[in-house]
Amino acid sequence: DTGVSQDPRHKITKRGQNVTFRCDPISEHNRLYWYRQTLGQGPEFLTYFQNEAQLEKSRLLSDRFSAERPKGSFSTLEIQRTEQGDSAMYLCASSFRASEQFFGPGTRLTVL
Amino acid sequence: SQQGEEDPQALSIQEGENATMNCSYKTSINNLQWYRQNSGRGLVHLILIRSNEREKHSGRLRVTLDTSKKSSSLLITASRAADTASYFCATDAGRYSTLTFGKGTMLLVSP
Repeated sequence: DTGVSQDPRHKITKRGQNVTFRCDPISEHNRLYWYRQTLGQGPEFLTYFQNEAQLEKSRLLSDRFSAERPKGSFSTLEIQRTEQGDSAMYLCASSFRASEQFFGPGTRLTVL
Repeated sequence: SQQGEEDPQALSIQEGENATMNCSYKTSINNLQWYRQNSGRGLVHLILIRSNEREKHSGRLRVTLDTSKKSSSLLITASRAADTASYFCATDAGRYSTLTFGKGTMLLVSP
């Protein structure tokens, strides 16, 4: 399967713990996006990478959130000191230039 | 903030009928994309229509775009039970093509 993959698919954690998610984009795609989706809502943009450079961050991305894309390949999204309000589906998407974005299956985070 | 707003919020039809969903947005766009999402899963890209295009077809899908009214519509013809899903429109309006989604239309197709 050459689509976007995300790991883990589900994560349950206790409030205050740190969590890290991984996204592997389609190999030739230089653009990588993170979105967050809560129940009954559409996805909301979090951050954007072009190759290894993080070029845009949403105001939704508080200082507890950090994302990296070393070497312009896979990306990680870390949430420190998780809060119940962080419970959501975290979606990764990739694209080649300004074209269709292809989404991964998402990581569903539950913070107890 | 969510730029796109889909209408209706929910739509229930019988197999074989056509389904039409509408999307309105607020700012100028580069392109508009439609996605499908089955319950609890990732989004599947359906179709992209650029700001200089008025209509696009893909299989049983027909998308129109009216930039003067800042609106788009998605028509699914001869619907099937497998079309049951949430449908989202997303606008690309920024420098880096980040997408702004609406809340979606939940489509239920009954056999």
